[in-house]
Amino acid sequence: GAGVSQSPRYKVTKRGQDVALRCDPISGHVSLYWYRQALGQGPEFLTYFNYEAQQDKSGLPNDRFSAERPEGSISTLTIQRTEQRDSAMYRCASSLDHSGANVLTFGAGSRLTVL
Amino acid sequence: AQTVTQSQPEMSVQEAETVTLSCTYDTSESNYYLFWYKQPPSRQMILVIRQEAYKQQNATENRFSVNFQKAAKSFSLKISDSQLGDTAMYFCAFRPYRNNNDMRFGAGTRLTVKP
Repeated sequence: GAGVSQSPRYKVTKRGQDVALRCDPISGHVSLYWYRQALGQGPEFLTYFNYEAQQDKSGLPNDRFSAERPEGSISTLTIQRTEQRDSAMYRCASSLDHSGANVLTFGAGSRLTVL
Repeated sequence: AQTVTQSQPEMSVQEAETVTLSCTYDTSESNYYLFWYKQPPSRQMILVIRQEAYKQQNATENRFSVNFQKAAKSFSLKISDSQLGDTAMYFCAFRPYRNNNDMRFGAGTRLTVKP
């Protein structure tokens, strides 16, 4: 697609429920990144993929968080047994490849609210 | 570890005037990239300008320019002829050349352009 598409834009869930957030990167972009942004703060790195391979997941806060990109295109970030502290904007970004020279293009984000 | 500091949580400027947003960073890397991203009320993340650390010349992009002081680890953004549409959160970001997933953001500066 023309840009990075994320869905849903808004998600409200009850504590303990699982949520899945979807990212559709720019067509042809090899690298895909997930960030979390709390209100009033800058984005924090969660994980990233080159093609279908998860290269780094050091930013995932705990084992309730996982991500996949099975066919090297669309990615899903899953949060199991959600907690109120998981409430944040979850942003996806993609870049042409993993070269540091390439800029990241961000999606509009998925705002998660856990009640 | 790299850190990015934006010491101005909020700033305001009159329309048509010039404003400078500050950013400092801490790193032991010798080669890296620096970015300014804009986040308008729509909460999109839009790349404003990028600077490569090995280039001494300051990057410019229309009304946006940077003052990159490598020795001082300073990377300020100057917005000339401010427009109402410049009202947004501005994030400074750092990424080492060697590892493009390790992109660190500052906490942001909220800029308001007043008519």
